[in-house]
Amino acid sequence: EVQLVESGGGLVQPGGSLRLSCAASGITVSSNFMSWVRQAPGKGLEYVSVIYSGGSTHYADSVKGRFTISRDNSKNTLYLQMNSLRAEDTAVYYCARRVDFAFDIWGQGTMVTVSS
Amino acid sequence: QSALTQPPSASGSPGQSVTISCTGTSSDVGGYNYVSWYQQHPGKAPKLMIYEVSKRPSGVPDRFSGSKSGNTASLTVSGLQAEDEADYYCNSYAGSTTYVVFGGGTKLTVL
Repeated sequence: EVQLVESGGGLVQPGGSLRLSCAASGITVSSNFMSWVRQAPGKGLEYVSVIYSGGSTHYADSVKGRFTISRDNSKNTLYLQMNSLRAEDTAVYYCARRVDFAFDIWGQGTMVTVSS
Repeated sequence: QSALTQPPSASGSPGQSVTISCTGTSSDVGGYNYVSWYQQHPGKAPKLMIYEVSKRPSGVPDRFSGSKSGNTASLTVSGLQAEDEADYYCNSYAGSTTYVVFGGGTKLTVL
């Protein structure tokens, strides 16, 4: 069964850091385009970042310079390192596989709350 | 403000058809045949319903269909069922600089 399981969310103060993880089963993270998409409470979906199978990365302007996407091939896990967090980064963060220009597999999400 | 424009709400009675629009620009929806649609029930992760404008993933009922004309894409749900009540989001590839953009979402109510 193909599954993505996020973890690492929680409460963090403004300016703080957090690292999210997305453990994959049934697919190989390094062979796929893998993304992070977030959803603020009561709001719509927002693209955050993608890492291509070749290792290159792309970020939304809203997180560029603060967030870093990476993967550990040995653990088949995707990561999102989030630094300099702001209140507006508060959201449920989903990892998703990108195939055929669509997000076809999603995790259940992990909540990140940035508040003092 | 989302990059793609969707109506905030749509509704229909069981058995009826409803169409949700998604309007972008020539830099996203109009420039590529890479529009996808997602269904999201409350508290759940989004689910892919349509990709590449009109293709359905395995397991998605053929009551769901997609189309595009110019800068506007559409999702049509035919034969509405109670379980179709959910939020629907469109998404489009927008080139190598922006990458992808989402619509603001449409809440579909089955009356």
